[in-house]
Amino acid sequence: GAVVSQHPSRVICKSGTSVKIECRSLDFQATTMFWYRQFPKQSLMLMATSNEGSKATYEQGVEKDKFLINHASLTLSTLTVTSAHPEDSSFYICSARMVGGTDTQYFGPGTRLTVL
Amino acid sequence: AQSVTQLDSQVPVFEEAPVELRCNYSSSVSVYLFWYVQYPNQGLQLLLKYLSGSTLVKGINGFEAEFNKSQTSFHLRKPSVHISDTAEYFCAVSPPNTGNQFYFGTGTSLTVIP
Repeated sequence: GAVVSQHPSRVICKSGTSVKIECRSLDFQATTMFWYRQFPKQSLMLMATSNEGSKATYEQGVEKDKFLINHASLTLSTLTVTSAHPEDSSFYICSARMVGGTDTQYFGPGTRLTVL
Repeated sequence: AQSVTQLDSQVPVFEEAPVELRCNYSSSVSVYLFWYVQYPNQGLQLLLKYLSGSTLVKGINGFEAEFNKSQTSFHLRKPSVHISDTAEYFCAVSPPNTGNQFYFGTGTSLTVIP
């Protein structure tokens, strides 16, 4: 139980294009989903917290107009990297907190974004 | 504010030897504590967690951790490691009832040597 999927697992795009990453909780409903960014050999940095049906809360320094987050249902959140640039290349990981569950986050397998 | 310190960035250990990965935290409130493992190019998998109760917590794959409130530590241990334990290990804290904000340490790379 408590499986989180991400799609795509890997994406390569040209500079200036937009990329959408999906995060789904497969066997549970998630009140809250989180988006993290991880640089090579570093820890996870929280980018934003998204609650179903409301606007996402972004961490300091994260551009909300560049990283668009939509949490349309209790099982799906999307992160869109708009006008991507090479410096946006990174490993993006989502996690989900179960409705009525304990304070445990369940993580997706991550999406490797490479911007050429 | 909360912070997590993982003092060892890299830990090499021989197969079947014991290992301890250290985690210390700083917090002005009680926190929940977690250890996650990350294999190359994958997401994070929960190893174990401490929410309340017994300070010795047993997790998957033979790992265990002990919560020490006085030393604000939550060190991860395994009595005998396998090659398959080679991975990155992250310690995290979360203050209860805060919307599940997680604070991660910088990670410890465990390499098991045959």
